[in-house]
Amino acid sequence: EAGVAQSPRYKIIEKRQSVAFWCNPISGHATLYWYQQILGQGPKLLIQFQNNGVVDDSQLPKDRFSAERLKGVDSTLKIQPAKLEDSAVYLCASSLAGGTAYEQYFGPGTRLTVT
Amino acid sequence: AQSVTQLGSHVSVSEGALVLLRCNYSSSVPPYLFWYVQYPNQGLQLLLKYTSAATLVKGINDFEAEFKKSETSFHLTKPSAHMSDAAEYFCAVRRGGSQGNLIFGKGTKLSVKP
Repeated sequence: EAGVAQSPRYKIIEKRQSVAFWCNPISGHATLYWYQQILGQGPKLLIQFQNNGVVDDSQLPKDRFSAERLKGVDSTLKIQPAKLEDSAVYLCASSLAGGTAYEQYFGPGTRLTVT
Repeated sequence: AQSVTQLGSHVSVSEGALVLLRCNYSSSVPPYLFWYVQYPNQGLQLLLKYTSAATLVKGINDFEAEFKKSETSFHLTKPSAHMSDAAEYFCAVRRGGSQGNLIFGKGTKLSVKP
């Protein structure tokens, strides 16, 4: 079965510019997660969707970050405007449903560099 | 609140030697604990998970971890390191509530010397 797809794999932008990342989860997976992984740290959850509804966005910097999951399938994460501290790998993951009974499958990530 | 602490940001072992990666947790609810591996330029892959069944958990590639409540630990071990085990390893704990999302440690980078 195909894994979680993400694009682009790499992106370099200047501060104050905007950027968008795309994620296509494994077919049939209802739950989708976006994580931010800063160099030298573990992934930090930004937002969790159940189908097309938001379950948890408590750690999403809502003044500059937004995410949507139209039709409950693929998802887009946007940063506008970007700051230097947003340089990180953005990981998308999906699972059949929420809860620890269901394994999260991770995509390869998008590496963002903000200059 | 839940948290994990991974002791040692970098561990180096010789090929064939024992691998021991340390993880301590803090949880206000019965903990569900996980170990993930990340190879360069790849996403995370689940190695094993503890969900309150057996305290000794076996995972893929001969890795295992033991849940010790008295020590609040969930250390990852492998009897004999292989060159292909070189990667970064993350311990994670389930966040409280029904969402089931995870809180990750800072990771331990494992190097394997020939």
